[in-house]
Amino acid sequence: QITLKESGPTLVKPTQTLTLTCTFSGFSLSTSGVGVGWIRQPPGKALEWLALIYWNDDKRYSPSLKSRLTITKDTSKNQVVLTMTNMDPVDTATYYCALTLTTILNWFDPWGQGTLVTVSS
Amino acid sequence: DIQLTQSPSFLSASVGDRVTITCRASQGISSYLAWYQQKPGKAPKLLIYAASTLQSGVPSRFSGSGSGTEFTLTISSLQPEDFATYYCQQLNSYLSITFGQGTRLEIK
Repeated sequence: QITLKESGPTLVKPTQTLTLTCTFSGFSLSTSGVGVGWIRQPPGKALEWLALIYWNDDKRYSPSLKSRLTITKDTSKNQVVLTMTNMDPVDTATYYCALTLTTILNWFDPWGQGTLVTVSS
Repeated sequence: DIQLTQSPSFLSASVGDRVTITCRASQGISSYLAWYQQKPGKAPKLLIYAASTLQSGVPSRFSGSGSGTEFTLTISSLQPEDFATYYCQQLNSYLSITFGQGTRLEIK
């Protein structure tokens, strides 16, 4: 069974850096073709893709957020970490990680349960 | 970025109805589209990928079609558990993955 779970702070202050961890089981991020992505969803709004990392350490970022995002993986720990700098209240959202098994055309399945991050002073 | 526009944004329908949701891309994306279902407080669930391929375990009343710039998700006979919000997604990470704004399907 494949599972993913997001963890990190529930509250961050404006200008701080957010660090989120996706811990997964049931697959290996050293297997060819495997990737993990991050997607967020502000309350009541649509989904927004953030970043993606593949088994070979290839990384993709949303162009609009690229300067603020870093995605890394720790294959031995079955974890993917996303950092987002200079947090703002508009970054308040539920952050999801999800599995993708294709290298260019990336649909996501399954997803983690999500973690709500609130940005407020 | 490729923009995806879903229509309608809100849809009211009854159990047993056939419903269709449209997703239009700002430029051609071949068949590189997926559909998700999201229920309140839950993560999205993959329904269809590559425009028309049904994900394993998804009921056959769901179907997808289209290519290029226009795509549709059809539910042939609405069931009570189908009332949710539906999102389309452009799949090509080289072009930047994008999602539509969502279609909320409610019970009439």
